[in-house]
Amino acid sequence: DAGVIQSPRHEVTEMGQEVTLRCKPISGHDYLFWYRQTMMRGLELLIYFNNNVPIDDSGMPEDRFSAKMPNASFSTLKIQPSEPRDSAVYFCASTTRTGHIYEQYFGPGTRLTVT
Amino acid sequence: SQQGEEDPQALSIQEGENATMNCSYKTSINNLQWYRQNSGRGLVHLILIRSNEREKHSGRLRVTLDTSKKSSSLLITASRAADTASYFCATEYGQLTFGSGTQLTVLP
Repeated sequence: DAGVIQSPRHEVTEMGQEVTLRCKPISGHDYLFWYRQTMMRGLELLIYFNNNVPIDDSGMPEDRFSAKMPNASFSTLKIQPSEPRDSAVYFCASTTRTGHIYEQYFGPGTRLTVT
Repeated sequence: SQQGEEDPQALSIQEGENATMNCSYKTSINNLQWYRQNSGRGLVHLILIRSNEREKHSGRLRVTLDTSKKSSSLLITASRAADTASYFCATEYGQLTFGSGTQLTVLP
């Protein structure tokens, strides 16, 4: 398996533009997570899905952020409009859960810079 | 919010020395996991210890868990320059919550 795939790897955009980040989880995994990592706030869970259904989006910063998972092999995180404070590395992770025990597999991340 | 807090925030050692990182947490857990993040990369799972376990080994890694003190430690023995990375603990109780990480630098 190729692991979790994210695209693009780097994105530079101007304030006010729409940004769409993409993730392909590992085949067979039924949980998908979106994280944001910054120096100031560390690694933050934004939202996670189980069987394509959003379970907890309490970490989504505000209405400018939205996430979808139209099928088991694809998810998007959209920021509209983007702001400089959204600059961060965004990670997607996937897993399958066996009881309480699950390790997450992370993608390489998308480094977003909003100018 | 971050459940686990790693200590120290940064650690610099010579190759061949042992590195110890600590993690404290606040609430109940089902298990605790350690991850490594190389610069510019995603996190990679290293080892998992269940709440009813006290110690676990994997290669050069040794993890301990003290649920009464709500703390865990990660020991890397005979460190190598390639071990240079950030190390995160993550507690699982319904979902996974990551700590703030320890930046380990192993000098050749």
